[in-house]
Amino acid sequence: AQSVSQHNHHVILSEAASLELGCNYSYGGTVNLFWYVQYPGQHLQLLLKYFSGDPLVKGIKGFEAEFIKSKFSFNLRKPSVQWSDTAEYFCAVQSEGTYKYIFGTGTRLKVLA
Amino acid sequence: EAQVTQNPRYLITVTGKKLTVTCSQNMNHEYMSWYRQDPGLGLRQIYYSMNVEVTDKGDVPEGYKVSRKEKRNFPLILESPSPNQTSLYFCASSPTPLRLLGSSYEQYFGPGTRLTVT
Repeated sequence: AQSVSQHNHHVILSEAASLELGCNYSYGGTVNLFWYVQYPGQHLQLLLKYFSGDPLVKGIKGFEAEFIKSKFSFNLRKPSVQWSDTAEYFCAVQSEGTYKYIFGTGTRLKVLA
Repeated sequence: EAQVTQNPRYLITVTGKKLTVTCSQNMNHEYMSWYRQDPGLGLRQIYYSMNVEVTDKGDVPEGYKVSRKEKRNFPLILESPSPNQTSLYFCASSPTPLRLLGSSYEQYFGPGTRLTVT
């Protein structure tokens, strides 16, 4: 069965620190990849997505992610976090040609001012 | 404003009392889906619908029903709720089912419904 792993469940950083959140998936075929963010008390919003082309994708609010096919990974990065980035981050995978989405368990990020 | 709406936003009910959570989108999206979010488990897909009258099971469909009689609405029905269905539920929609190789459409999420079953 397909699965998505987010190994960092809780991350605490100081403002201006760099961020990298891991996401690995298990599926050998073509996939569409997403990162969503959920700010406290709000619904999920798309940060960025990848489906083809340049494996380094840029999203909103200075986030980027790199798709490494050989490692089945889609890690999220931000060079300098802000207090307002405090949120829960979800990686999601959709197998090409299917209608099912698999989400990771999420990473709670807390940024200290 | 383009959005996905859910009602109610909060619901406390008792075991066995049938309930419906409504979901509506005004973006003419073909694809709609329901998820539940539980601590430590992330989001798990319950059911999805590729178009009117076409639905299929996600990963955790037990205890839930859905219907898609109109394009804009996708209600979630709990015929006999149980305490293990206490959760935060999200409805989502996206423009089209994914028929084309290389296509990718993100989902737009509703605000969530917090359900407590006692």
